[in-house]
Amino acid sequence: EIVLTQSPGTLSLSPGERATLSCRASQTVNKNFLAWYQQKPGQAPRLLIYGVSSRATDIPDRFSGSGSGTDFTLTIARLEPEDFAVYLCQQYGSAPLTFGGGTKVEIK
Amino acid sequence: QLHLQESGPGLVRPSENLALTCTVSGGPISNSLYFWAWIRQSPGKGLEWIGSVFHTGSAYYNPSLKDRLTFSIDTSKNQFSVTLSSVTASDTAVYYCARLVDSIMALDSWGRGAQVTVSS
Repeated sequence: EIVLTQSPGTLSLSPGERATLSCRASQTVNKNFLAWYQQKPGQAPRLLIYGVSSRATDIPDRFSGSGSGTDFTLTIARLEPEDFAVYLCQQYGSAPLTFGGGTKVEIK
Repeated sequence: QLHLQESGPGLVRPSENLALTCTVSGGPISNSLYFWAWIRQSPGKGLEWIGSVFHTGSAYYNPSLKDRLTFSIDTSKNQFSVTLSSVTASDTAVYYCARLVDSIMALDSWGRGAQVTVSS
């Protein structure tokens, strides 16, 4: 199975700053089936990005995704107060579907 | 607006079976554009995909759980279900149902989650 490693584990930033999150796959993610989710405490994950770089419905344009092969990045251009959460990557280019361990973006 | 709701027992005894049902409203689960998935989340293991089922009944399992899993789908009730047999404490988790979009292989709608604890 493809193992997704997210870094850093925790990112301490201030509102208005730029956040750069990494997701590294143990093998090439086929067909660019790489997605990103946001999860807040007590809530289900919410789809942000699919297909590496496409924003899901109603996701603001400060969220962007990039990458290819085994290295992927989620960028939040300017952190808003509601963006402090855990972010997870997920692949299903190869079975089984797997998730990364997450990056927590916390207020500095 | 699609809505998914998990239902099932909050407490299951070790060695027994865990059965969960997801009721979908706001759209038919017979839509061929989607699979219907189960995912669980525990502090120790993070998010773990359990498996997915298509409206035809075809199912795809996480190999780590495959021997203990049974999926079913009832299009007349707009529900799908999972049974996990012979549970242990390591099956304690929040269980989510979600919609998996076939064309992008991403989970675009989720239920709120159901806490399941395995304990005697």
